[in-house]
Amino acid sequence: RKEVEQDPGPFNVPEGATVAFNCTYSNSASQSFFWYRQDCRKEPKLLMSVYSSGNEDGRFTAQLNRASQYISLLIRDSKLSDSATYLCVVNRGNQFYFGTGTSLTVIP
Amino acid sequence: DAGITQSPRHKVTETGTPVTLRCHQTENHRYMYWYRQDPGHGLRLIHYSYGVKDTDKGEVSDGYSVSRSKTEDFLLTLESATSSQTSVYFCAISDRGYNEQFFGPGTRLTVL
Repeated sequence: RKEVEQDPGPFNVPEGATVAFNCTYSNSASQSFFWYRQDCRKEPKLLMSVYSSGNEDGRFTAQLNRASQYISLLIRDSKLSDSATYLCVVNRGNQFYFGTGTSLTVIP
Repeated sequence: DAGITQSPRHKVTETGTPVTLRCHQTENHRYMYWYRQDPGHGLRLIHYSYGVKDTDKGEVSDGYSVSRSKTEDFLLTLESATSSQTSVYFCAISDRGYNEQFFGPGTRLTVL
């Protein structure tokens, strides 16, 4: 079983739409959680850390459910510049485990 | 942006030749990581370091070795490159091993 699983998409949404990505992780000992975005042929960049109480950064909201081992990312009022691949990342014991990513295209 | 550089950025080499990739950081972070990224697999850990001269294997370490003689440098060596090692290689750093990682720009390696 993979450490981290994500729906690969692709998600194609119009500008202004709200879109949600989900991710599950297999090991309950996982310690910390993150969402990264990766543009084509570029390095992953940190979008936000995910905290147990949930957290928000502008149009982005992340949620963590430890009981269900589930992480989510909500993007409101999508912009063309949000088009990218979104990676769910889980940390355990100094190592980081990556989902294969969810592709998002925001359409004008 | 975190101060991480990788060299070379692109390399084409032939099967059987040795290859060394370099990662250099200016953040004084303790942890450094090497990943490879391939379609359908996402990022997979090759090796990581938790201090000078302290390294450990990751998920896909066969065929790779690493060295860290200084805090700022982490080298990845392919002793005898194979076509299956054609990939994009990313270096990453983390200050405490459970905090967020920051990535270098990547190295595109092609083994013919």
